[in-house]
Amino acid sequence: GAGVSQTPSNKVTEKGKYVELRCDPISGHTALYWYRQSLGQGPEFLIYFQGTGAADDSGLPNDRFFAVRPEGSVSTLKIQRTERGDSAVYLCASSFQGGWNSPLHFGNGTRLTVT
Amino acid sequence: QKEVEQNSGPLSVPEGAIASLNCTYSDRGSQSFFWYRQYSGKSPELIMSIYSNGDKEDGRFTAQLNKASQYVSLLIRDSQPSDSATYLCAVERGRLTFGEGTQLTVNP
Repeated sequence: GAGVSQTPSNKVTEKGKYVELRCDPISGHTALYWYRQSLGQGPEFLIYFQGTGAADDSGLPNDRFFAVRPEGSVSTLKIQRTERGDSAVYLCASSFQGGWNSPLHFGNGTRLTVT
Repeated sequence: QKEVEQNSGPLSVPEGAIASLNCTYSDRGSQSFFWYRQYSGKSPELIMSIYSNGDKEDGRFTAQLNKASQYVSLLIRDSQPSDSATYLCAVERGRLTFGEGTQLTVNP
């Protein structure tokens, strides 16, 4: 069966540009999470969706970051006016029903490089 | 104080030995605890979850939880070279918070 799919796998952009990162969760999973991972660090929580709504967006670092999940399936993480410090691997994960005893399944990530 | 701290690595053990990975957390109200394994260049994968004090065994892996001490550990028995990876401790308290990871190398 298909796992969590993230596109693109790599994205190089110039400082100040806008980027969109896409996540297609496992079919039937209602919960979707975005994390960011820098080299040598653990994943850092960004935002959690339950269905179409953001249940917890407290990890978004500032207002340049925004995420949507309009139909409760695919999610897009949007970053405006990118900065070099945004360079990281952006990980998406989904789980069957949310709640932390429902295992997270991670995608392979999008490696974002801001030059 | 970091929310989740793991013992500094890297950790190197010979094949067949026991690898011991440790984690402490700051929020006493945390209820769920997880160990993820991450191979280089790959995404994290869940290997163990533990919710109550004591030991939980799954094959060569044993997770240990002591809520009074705010301590979680992972023991890997009969370590194999294929166990070489970064091990991430994750703690739930409204959100899943990860430690920085401990890099384990098992030498043949």
